[in-house]
Amino acid sequence: GAVVSQHPSWVICKSGTSVKIECRSLDFQATTMFWYRQFPKQSLMLMATSNEGSKATYEQGVEKDKFLINHASLTLSTLTVTSAHPEDSSFYICSASVGSNSYNEQFFGPGTRLTVL
Amino acid sequence: AQSVTQLDSQVPVFEEAPVELRCNYSSSVSVYLFWYVQYPNQGLQLLLKYLSGSTLVKGINGFEAEFNKSQTSFHLRKPSVHISDTAEYFCAVSPTGGGNKLTFGTGTQLKVEL
Repeated sequence: GAVVSQHPSWVICKSGTSVKIECRSLDFQATTMFWYRQFPKQSLMLMATSNEGSKATYEQGVEKDKFLINHASLTLSTLTVTSAHPEDSSFYICSASVGSNSYNEQFFGPGTRLTVL
Repeated sequence: AQSVTQLDSQVPVFEEAPVELRCNYSSSVSVYLFWYVQYPNQGLQLLLKYLSGSTLVKGINGFEAEFNKSQTSFHLRKPSVHISDTAEYFCAVSPTGGGNKLTFGTGTQLKVEL
């Protein structure tokens, strides 16, 4: 149980275009979803936390107008990278949890590799 | 704020040998501690976690970790590794007082060789 999927698994786009990444909890309802960014050989950096039906909370330094997050239902959250540039190329990982207490486990998706040309 | 340090970026080890992956953390509040494993091109999988109780925690795939509050450490160990254990391992913490935001270390690449 507790499976999280991401789509697409990889995407290549031209500079200036927008890209949408989906994160779905397949067998549970996720009240909270997280979006991370991972650079090669580096750790996961939390970008934002989203709760179903409310606006996402962005971490310091993350441009909310560039990385649009929508958590429209208890099983789906989307991350849209607007006007993508080569520096946005990265591995984006989402996670989902039932509840937002500190002991609620996060279940991670397989990640999406974005390459901006 | 919390921070996690994984001093070893890479740990090579021969198959069937024991291994220890080190993790130290810094926090002004109490934290829960986690170890995750990431296989190539995959998401993270929880290996084990410490919430409370016994400081020795056993996880999946034969891994265990010991929480040492005085040394602010949570080192991961396995007595005998297998080729399939080759992966990236991340230590993470979250504050006990609220929210389940995770702060990750930079990861340790475990490479098991024949």
